[in-house]
This record gives sequence, structure tokens and C-alpha cells, in this order.
Amino acid sequence: EAEVAQSPRYKITEKSQAVAFWCDPISGHATLYWYRQILGQGPELLVQFQDESVVDDSQLPKDRFSAERLKGVDSTLKIQPAELGDSAMYLCASSQMDRGAQYFGPGTRLLVL
Amino acid sequence: QQPVQSPQAVILREGEDAVINCSSSKALYSVHWYRQKHGEAPVFLMILLKGGEQKGHEKISASFNEKKQQSSLYLTASQLSYSGTYFCGTAIQGAQKLVFGQGTRLTINP
Repeated sequence: EAEVAQSPRYKITEKSQAVAFWCDPISGHATLYWYRQILGQGPELLVQFQDESVVDDSQLPKDRFSAERLKGVDSTLKIQPAELGDSAMYLCASSQMDRGAQYFGPGTRLLVL
Repeated sequence: QQPVQSPQAVILREGEDAVINCSSSKALYSVHWYRQKHGEAPVFLMILLKGGEQKGHEKISASFNEKKQQSSLYLTASQLSYSGTYFCGTAIQGAQKLVFGQGTRLTINP
């Protein structure tokens, strides 16, 4: 069964360092999502791509976060510089169509010291 | 705007039934339901589109009341494997993104 791949699974970094997360969606899925999930809360959308275009990044802290999906397939989410409050689970999901069922990857658990 | 889920937590014995509710103050286009086990990613359960439909997945079903902007998830004859946190995600009319509720933690005891 096809799955969403993410790496790394865990990342420990120091405050002010740069970090990057990678996501490879299910083949053929045009829509890709990056979410941040704080323990005990629901996922919060950071950015949504339709193919290579951003369709929603209203909750992305653009002064430090950036996301790209250059060829409309895999995607990278970057944080520079990382802050203590960025410690969370970063989830990538994909769907075949806009507003369709979303399939999540295993996530990257980030700890900023 | 974030949908409101109730209850926040439920503890059941195996075989008992549960209902989890999800309410929005906005006109909804669709409601998604996901289950997340501790330390794992959310898993898709079902989508309901406006129109008051009801869907089923084994012993888990859901309804969507478009007029009340509410959805309910029904778990019947619960099994130990049903334990986890259930999230509803709502998409409002005219918007593309999904907004998740704060979750309902379901614990099933033997």
C-alpha cells in the first residue's frame, strides 16, 4: 500500500539553527499539506500545495518558515532560525484531489533546545 | 475557525457504544474524521459532504447535519483497537483548507 514518506523521523536542534524536513507524497497525489501538531492538540495547517503552487499559507510564520514543492512532487519545509516554541510534530499529508481524504506520513518530531 | 468537539475524553468498556460530536459556527462543505493513536500519525476514517448523509466503516459510522453544522461519529460495540484520539476536520464553504478540532480521547478498557 502506498504511503507518505517523511524524513527525518526525529530532529534535535539548538535554538537559532536551521532545520529542514522532507516529504514524498503518495504517487499521483496533487495536493500536499504540511501541518504542525503540538501535543494534545489537533493538527494545524501550515501550508497547502496544489501541484507546485501554494494555495494556502496563511498560518505559516513566513519570517522563519519556508516551504517549496518545486516539481510538484516532493516537498521541503525549512525553519531558520529555529525557536524553542517550534518544538512539535511536523506532519505531511497528501490527497488525490483538493478537499479529498488526506493520508498522513509518520511525521518528524522536532525538539529545539 | 476551529470546530468544537465533545466530549473531550471518554472511557468505555469493550463492547460499549460511543458518540463523538463536532460542531462549527460556519457553513460547512465537508467534515472529515481521523483517528490518531499515541505517537502515530492520524489515519483517515471517512468524509461526509453536505447533504445530511451518513456513512459507515465497519462498526464506525458518521452523520452530517448541514442545517446545524454538526457531525457525529458513532462507534458501536467498541473494540480495544478503537482506542485513540479522534479528530474532526471541517472545510467551510469557499475555503480549501481543513481545520481540525481539538480532539476527543477515547479509552477502551477490557
